[in-house]
Amino acid sequence: AQTVTQSQPEMSVQEAETVTLSCTYDTSESDYYLFWYKQPPSRQMILVIRQEAYKQQNATENRFSVNFQKAAKSFSLKISDSQLGDAAMYFCAYRFSQGGSEKLVFGKGMKLTVNP
Amino acid sequence: DTAVSQTPKYLVTQMGNDKSIKCEQNLGHDTMYWYKQDSKKFLKIMFSYNNKELIINETVPNRFSPKSPDKAHLNLHINSLELGDSAVYFCASSQAGGLDTEAFFGQGTRLTVV
Repeated sequence: AQTVTQSQPEMSVQEAETVTLSCTYDTSESDYYLFWYKQPPSRQMILVIRQEAYKQQNATENRFSVNFQKAAKSFSLKISDSQLGDAAMYFCAYRFSQGGSEKLVFGKGMKLTVNP
Repeated sequence: DTAVSQTPKYLVTQMGNDKSIKCEQNLGHDTMYWYKQDSKKFLKIMFSYNNKELIINETVPNRFSPKSPDKAHLNLHINSLELGDSAVYFCASSQAGGLDTEAFFGQGTRLTVV
């Protein structure tokens, strides 16, 4: 079964500092994608960053970067220069093909607080 | 223009009632989904449709019946509502044929059953 685990339910960081959110996943698939989504209090799900399993190079989007360790099935998100607007729930997600459709499985989420 | 829109945003209803949530996407995507987010924020897929055809049904009770009149719409009808159905329901869409394609989510519908 494909599962995504976010072991830390909550974290906090000081504004302008760096924080790393951890995620591990379990799969027997060879082709898949990994995503981090952000859900602010508005409830909107916003894509932060994505990583293809075949790419060794870690994805980067401005202040957001990932540390993808395929052998360890680990996919952590690093937020640099944290801003107050980064406060949100963060969900790690894993996408694979099943029955002719792409299925997106989420971790349980982690609440990030940014302190001024 | 809103990419994926759900109506209503909030829904409060009594146990035993039947209610529907509508979803529309204007992105031209082939695949649409319904997700349920419980009180602990856990997001779980319920259904997936590809070109109006049901692809994934994650052992959801029969009281939940999705309907896709065309590939831009995926509505969710719930019969005989129960207290445990209280949650936020998200509609999402993505372009089929690629694992890398982003799933776009609606704003969610907060359903409260009293």
